Amino acid sequence: DQQVKQNSPSLSVQEGRISILNCDYTNSMFDYFLWYKKYPAEGPTFLISISSIKDKNEDGRFTVFLNKSAKHLSLHIVPSQPGDSAVYFCAASHPSGNTPLVFGKGTRLSVIA
Amino acid sequence: SQTIHQWPATLVQPVGSPLSLECTVEGTSNPNLYWYRQAAGRGLQLLFYSVGIGQISSEVPQNLSASRPQDRQFILSSKKLLLSDSGFYLCAWRRGGRDNEQFFGPGTRLTVL
Repeated sequence: DQQVKQNSPSLSVQEGRISILNCDYTNSMFDYFLWYKKYPAEGPTFLISISSIKDKNEDGRFTVFLNKSAKHLSLHIVPSQPGDSAVYFCAASHPSGNTPLVFGKGTRLSVIA
Repeated sequence: SQTIHQWPATLVQPVGSPLSLECTVEGTSNPNLYWYRQAAGRGLQLLFYSVGIGQISSEVPQNLSASRPQDRQFILSSKKLLLSDSGFYLCAWRRGGRDNEQFFGPGTRLTVL
């Protein structure tokens, strides 16, 4: 059973426009959510996170929104740049912090110049 | 600051040969450590995690094993590699407790021929 789902395997966006990547989760015990960006042949890099006590967290061009009632989060990238082209993974954490993060399968973002 | 190292960066091994991938973390103590595999075009599959020296949890049955001989050292091994073991292997670390990010190493590309 997939507890974290990224239902769009790929997304194409024009440079300068907004990219919206979506993530859904099923376990209401998750209380901390993270987004990672991964280039080919490299390890994922941490991008931005949000605690369940918040509904929005912003860092420069990146904003994560959390809708707990819908068990849904999204990552907004504005404006999108060609260097943003990568695979983006959503991850969720249990309160204990010692159980492993649960990752979605990723969404490949292509930003077209 | 903390850094995570993996080696080798790339490895080509024949079927049936042994495997040893090493991961070390610097700048932190008692980290939670993780081994992931990313097969071509797939998501991140958690293989093993460890919350302390000598403590290993296995997520999927396979012909791989992991060991943690020192606090900041995590080793992934196999006695006999299979073709299906090919993939991109990632080590990661995370502090225990709540609301902490997880950081990945640069990865090892393993090709089994």
